[in-house]
Amino acid sequence: NAGVTQTPKFRVLKTGQSMTLLCAQDMNHEYMYWYRQDPGMGLRLIHYSVGEGTTAKGEVPDGYNVSRLKKQNFLLGLESAAPSQTSVYFCASSHGQGSSGANVLTFGAGSRLTVL
Amino acid sequence: AQSVAQPEDQVNVAEGNPLTVKCTYSVSGNPYLFWYVQYPNRGLQFLLKYITGDNLVKGSYGFEAEFNKSQTSFHLKKPSALVSDSALYFCAVRDTGGTGGSYIPTFGRGTSLIVHP
Repeated sequence: NAGVTQTPKFRVLKTGQSMTLLCAQDMNHEYMYWYRQDPGMGLRLIHYSVGEGTTAKGEVPDGYNVSRLKKQNFLLGLESAAPSQTSVYFCASSHGQGSSGANVLTFGAGSRLTVL
Repeated sequence: AQSVAQPEDQVNVAEGNPLTVKCTYSVSGNPYLFWYVQYPNRGLQFLLKYITGDNLVKGSYGFEAEFNKSQTSFHLKKPSALVSDSALYFCAVRDTGGTGGSYIPTFGRGTSLIVHP
């Protein structure tokens, strides 16, 4: 029962490098989310998706891109990493609206990214 | 627009004493309210939710929360704290109605609960 799996768990980048974080869920959830967690800032939504092939901007989308080509996967990309993107990134998923399990998010274990 | 506030960055309590972690919210319609817990180096885990019905909601690990509409609060409580309850606690809200309705929950900044032996 894997739930939400994030890879990689840790990554160190140099400024200007690019990378992709992968999120995979095996619960057939419609909705998927990417958050970043910073000290004193709590969780901030970067992008989210309400279904395969759809994405939308959250609170802090600048510098990030996402794709949801398959229902079970949600990719977060950094095209040109900046030190301000040093953070812990969490992926989450949930059932869509109309489901009794709607609104409850299942989170991955996190990906710690450091940009030098 | 929806928002949630956790006024305390840190709560300290002795083991065996009751604990309260505070949360207030702002929505234009009716709220769905949630508590999550995060242990060190882990993702967030769902504790409990209020959707409708009884204002006192019971959740995992002996936690409960009381929805108070007049005070727009949803405080997390536990009658007797354990050292193992030490963690970061997040309140979240989703506005279900009005022009500000959203399908996406907004999280508070989190409150660090420290239970002393």
